[in-house]
Amino acid sequence: QSVLTQPPSASGTPGQRVTISCSGSDSNIGSNYVYWYQQFPRTAPRLLVSRNGQRPSGVPDRFSGSRSGTSASLVISGLRSEDEADYYCASWDDSLSGYVVLGGGTKLTVL
Amino acid sequence: QVQLQESGPGLVKPSETLSLTCTVSGGSVSSGSYFWNWIRQPPGKGLEWLGYIYYSGSATYNPSLKSRVSMSVDTSKNQFSLKLRSVTAADTAVYYCARIGSPPKALGWFDPWGQGTLVTVSS
Repeated sequence: QSVLTQPPSASGTPGQRVTISCSGSDSNIGSNYVYWYQQFPRTAPRLLVSRNGQRPSGVPDRFSGSRSGTSASLVISGLRSEDEADYYCASWDDSLSGYVVLGGGTKLTVL
Repeated sequence: QVQLQESGPGLVKPSETLSLTCTVSGGSVSSGSYFWNWIRQPPGKGLEWLGYIYYSGSATYNPSLKSRVSMSVDTSKNQFSLKLRSVTAADTAVYYCARIGSPPKALGWFDPWGQGTLVTVSS
């Protein structure tokens, strides 16, 4: 059972705008940064969106992240076939002595 | 460019201890600017953070696994390690090592990651 909640699946057609949600609580998303990772089959995840929506070099600006209250969203604009992958959100949780929390992942299918 | 590489046995027997090492190249595990993490992914499932360790040896673990996990760092070899005790089939997973900034609350993104290593728990 993941601390952060993501829909197990999402889909869209090429060119569409797709949103993947990530729900948490006051102790994590509500008071900390949210990060997003992309993972293709049989490969390690890669950082997609860092704090304040910053993207590492090489990540297209079609990917953007936002946060509101205890939820966060990853938006993919102009969906492309190569965006078909698993997406994970992550944050810091202030409870106990503090620790990293992850979402269960969302499998994105490009129809 | 910093690179991480996991190594260790690919097969562990139930009830035994899983031991993995992550070797850091292109950077130093002694840097006070980072924490060093272990993350795992059971086949077909999502990611699970196991914990992280600082160059000083101070570690923080996932509360759900705290009783079975321990981590250590060897600055002379530029490596850090994971031990998971009393394993069962549920511990079968790809294990990744990754770097996170310090402090994790403010700089808490995993980058880079190792390529991962599959550990199977079976007799």
